[in-house]
Amino acid sequence: ELKVEQNPLFLSMQEGKNYTIYCNYSTTSDRLYWYRQDPGKSLESLFVLLSNGAVKQEGRLMASLDTKARLSTLHITAAVHDLSATYFCAVDLTSGSRLTFGEGTQLTVNP
Amino acid sequence: GAGVSQSPSNKVTEKGKDVELRCDPISGHTALYWYRQSLGQGLEFLIYFQGNSAPDKSGLPSDRFSAERTGGSVSTLTIQRTQQEDSAVYLCASSPRTGGEYEQYFGPGTRLTVT
Repeated sequence: ELKVEQNPLFLSMQEGKNYTIYCNYSTTSDRLYWYRQDPGKSLESLFVLLSNGAVKQEGRLMASLDTKARLSTLHITAAVHDLSATYFCAVDLTSGSRLTFGEGTQLTVNP
Repeated sequence: GAGVSQSPSNKVTEKGKDVELRCDPISGHTALYWYRQSLGQGLEFLIYFQGNSAPDKSGLPSDRFSAERTGGSVSTLTIQRTQQEDSAVYLCASSPRTGGEYEQYFGPGTRLTVT
């Protein structure tokens, strides 16, 4: 059974600081997805990582994938308040099949 | 373009009643997924439709849950004899599943409250 674990689950950080969220998964897969969820809203796709070594960046967020270590990271650079949200990673075992989600990391960026 | 839409956005029902939740996927997307999100269980997969293939129902929590997808487009998730533990946000997603594009696009969800 595929398990996806994120840490930390709760992250409170100051504006301007850097931090990394980690996503570990238990079974080999080449595809990992990061989503953002604002309170009371649905899931917004941030990154799709499709191969070992994949790195994608959008604004202050950068995601990477190490399939050998079964690890993805979401790095936040110089955080701003607008990044406050819950971030989920998710894995599928075969292309386009069901997603298995991590528990989510609730990020709060304080002024 | 139009995204995934779901209706109703909120549904309050009494325990024991049946409910139907609707999902309209993005036009042209061949794959459709249902998930639910609750405080205690996080995000859970329920069911997945891909084209004309038999759906993957492995995530449905009990036989009170069923879903269908008509004409390869709109899907309805039905919960019979609702229980309080069914209270959750039900999310629908669709995916093109062509040309290496497997990203799932989520709808706004239906918040179900069983009283």
